This record gives sequence, structure tokens and C-alpha cells, in this order.
Amino acid sequence: DGGITQSPKYLFRKEGQNVTLSCEQNLNHDAMYWYRQDPGQGLRLIYYSQIVNDFQKGDIAEGYSVSREKKESFPLTVTSAQKNPTAFYLCASSTEWREQGEQFFGPGTRLTVL
Amino acid sequence: GQQLNQSPQSMFIQEGEDVSMNCTSSSIFNTWLWYKQDPGEGPVLLIALYKAGELTSNGRLTAQFGITRKDSFLNISASIPSDVGIYFCAGQVSYGNQFYFGTGTSLTVIP
Repeated sequence: DGGITQSPKYLFRKEGQNVTLSCEQNLNHDAMYWYRQDPGQGLRLIYYSQIVNDFQKGDIAEGYSVSREKKESFPLTVTSAQKNPTAFYLCASSTEWREQGEQFFGPGTRLTVL
Repeated sequence: GQQLNQSPQSMFIQEGEDVSMNCTSSSIFNTWLWYKQDPGEGPVLLIALYKAGELTSNGRLTAQFGITRKDSFLNISASIPSDVGIYFCAGQVSYGNQFYFGTGTSLTVIP
């Protein structure tokens, strides 16, 4: 089955620890994205990558880092510099950036920092 | 970042009623997407629109790409309990691949 997987579904960390969220896609999409969703709110873009080894900051990149070493994978690290990291994190991918495309989402990871 | 105005913010309707919601933007978009999100899950793509004036259906759902390219509409006909959820619009600007999202419409269907 083609799709986007995120793991784990639920993640608990102590304050001050870095944590990495996994995102893998087998849709052969060039572009990948990370969003943050807070209760009752819309999606805010953290980082996006249009191609391997390249990525751009979104609207709320501070306190986060990413890498794009493989087309299929776009892990997100939530660092201790992120002031309020507890949230629902969504990974997405879309077709190659020069074409009109559709964006598909993974099931999400709920991060709770204690 | 770009903000999409989505309305209404919430709706409470009787089963069988029709539903309408819309999104407006200050910028022109190449693409409009409509999603449904259930609690604790990722959004699921319902309909994608690529041309101004385009009208596309997916079962009981119909969406339209506004002629000005700054708005889009989603209609749900004959609502059923499983339509409950949050509906998001998303637009892709013409110059890149970043998508912008509306704040969502929360739909409650009363049996």
C-alpha cells in the first residue's frame, strides 16, 4: 500500500530533551512537509523540502530541525529550544513542485513534553 | 504567513440537511484542496481543484474553485452522522509549493 507513515503515534519526553519524529513515504513524492497543529487550531508549517538535500523554513521553524538525506524520509527533531513543544505533528508529501499537485498526510504523532 | 479565512467556524445541523462552507484568500491560488480530519488522525484529502470555475464532486461532496481564484466552496448534501469532523481548505500559491490552510470548520450532525 502506498502512503505516509509516522512513528510513533504517541510520544512522551521530559522537558529539555531533544526528540526526533519519523516520517516515511513510498509515494515517490519529491516534496515533504512538517506541520504543527494545536487544539482547535489549523495547521502551521514548520519546514518543507522540495527535493533531497534541500529544505526551507516555514512559519514556525524556531526550535525545530530537519534533514532530507533520502527522498522517502523527512525526520523532524524537536529541540530543547522549542518553548512549547506539546502538540500534534503532521507530516505530508506532495507531487513534484513544478506541477500542480495534491498533498497527502500521515496519521500524525502526538508529542507530550512533561 | 498567508492566512485563509474559512467560515463558518462551526456548524450544528440535523441529519439529512445540506452543508456549505467556504474559504477566502487575499492571494491568487493555483490549487484548492479540501480535507476532512477526524480527532487524533491526519487530514484526508476529499477534493482537489485546479482551474478557476471548476466544479468537482466526490459522492455527496461538491467543491468549486472560485472564478477570482481567491476563494473556494465545499458543499455536503444530505448529511449523515459520519460526516462529523473538521473540514479544512488549503491553497497553493502560484509561485511555489507551499500550501496554506484555513482554520477549519467543525461539523456536528445531529441524528
